[in-house]
Amino acid sequence: DTAVSQTPKYLVTQMGNDKSIKCEQNLGHDTMYWYKQDSKKFLKIMFSYNNKELIINETVPNRFSPKSPDKAHLNLHINSLELGDSAVYFCASTAGRPGGELFFGEGSRLTVL
Amino acid sequence: GQNIDQPTEMTATEGAIVQINCTYQTSGFNGLFWYQQHAGEAPTFLSYNVLDGLEEKGRFSSFLSRSKGYSYLLLKELQMKDSASYLCAVRRFAGNNRKLIWGLGTSLAVNP
Repeated sequence: DTAVSQTPKYLVTQMGNDKSIKCEQNLGHDTMYWYKQDSKKFLKIMFSYNNKELIINETVPNRFSPKSPDKAHLNLHINSLELGDSAVYFCASTAGRPGGELFFGEGSRLTVL
Repeated sequence: GQNIDQPTEMTATEGAIVQINCTYQTSGFNGLFWYQQHAGEAPTFLSYNVLDGLEEKGRFSSFLSRSKGYSYLLLKELQMKDSASYLCAVRRFAGNNRKLIWGLGTSLAVNP
């Protein structure tokens, strides 16, 4: 059983298109995240949801819109894709307790041509 | 502001010991994590320190000094499979939330 699963794993698309990445966790965690990891391997937080409520919204273009239908799911929709959006997008979840570690999904590698 | 520094690359030999350092500057410190990330894979949790001292977990240990803003990850009896990137992350209080600030990672190459 995969704890945090995200789809698709690979996505190749043209500039200007709209795409979505889905994430689901079966750990019963309250808090979920979207991270972007670029070619320099820097992990940058994008969004965080706690019990379906947006709690962290970093400086991210409004072309990126997260949606959490329930606390086990957090999806990411990207409009008007740009070359600079090419990266690996990781979904993660945590129980939220002080020492609670993040559990990451396998990542979704987005390539914008 | 927030800043996390760790060496970009390190090389070590199979069977040896290696220490990866991490220094940080942040307000509202609420714990420090170490994660391991193999190429093409997701980060996985290694250790968590919130109090000063050493936490040992098998071949891996992590140390924290809050007054110095310093942590290290110690890897003993290195194996080839330990070749990976090691990420230091500091959790801090930000308003009502806790946020993780990530270092750029240390890429460790273990040679035979």
